[in-house]
Amino acid sequence: DTGVSQDPRHKITKRGQNVTFRCDPISEHNRLYWYRQTLGQGPEFLTYFQNEAQLEKSRLLSDRFSAERPKGSFSTLEIQRTEQGDSAMYLCASSPGQLYYGYTFGSGTRLTVV
Amino acid sequence: ELKVEQNPLFLSMQEGKNYTIYCNYSTTSDRLYWYRQDPGKSLESLFVLLSNGAVKQEGRLMASLDTKARLSTLHITAAVHDLSATYFCAVDYPTNAGKSTFGDGTTLTVKP
Repeated sequence: DTGVSQDPRHKITKRGQNVTFRCDPISEHNRLYWYRQTLGQGPEFLTYFQNEAQLEKSRLLSDRFSAERPKGSFSTLEIQRTEQGDSAMYLCASSPGQLYYGYTFGSGTRLTVV
Repeated sequence: ELKVEQNPLFLSMQEGKNYTIYCNYSTTSDRLYWYRQDPGKSLESLFVLLSNGAVKQEGRLMASLDTKARLSTLHITAAVHDLSATYFCAVDYPTNAGKSTFGDGTTLTVKP
């Protein structure tokens, strides 16, 4: 297992289109997180899962955003009717139950809405 | 609402010098993280600090945590160019270990 992988690495989309990102966590990690990072800022929490259960969603996550983690393995983050303000790096991270080990982040998906 | 402040936000230093980055947070928490991010890359975990007085060291970097003061420091000893990057601290909500709040980062440039 080589770490957290995210796909695609880059996505350019027109405003109003829907986009979906995928995250494959480290296989033995039962927790999975989504963050969003804009230029010059620290990552902002969006949502997280423990196994297949979505335990929390940020108020930043409007109704246009939805995340799933079927079967507690990979996760998808979908943005409907994209807006220019959605342009950002979307980061996925995973961790084991014991948080002593912290989080392992993927390389991210950079979204550009034109 | 948990707030995390780092200072300085930008730091330019000469190779061989020492410096400290500060991370203050607003709400009691006993879980603090330091990450490194290179331009265009994702975050690399550096340290996880879990208790008051915790100190961890890796190479030229040393991190400490004072939960009473709600302060963590990242000390750089004898800086080298390879340490140039942006460093983030992040703090978990005390009642929600799955949710971290990040500072805005400190961009470190080490000049020869």
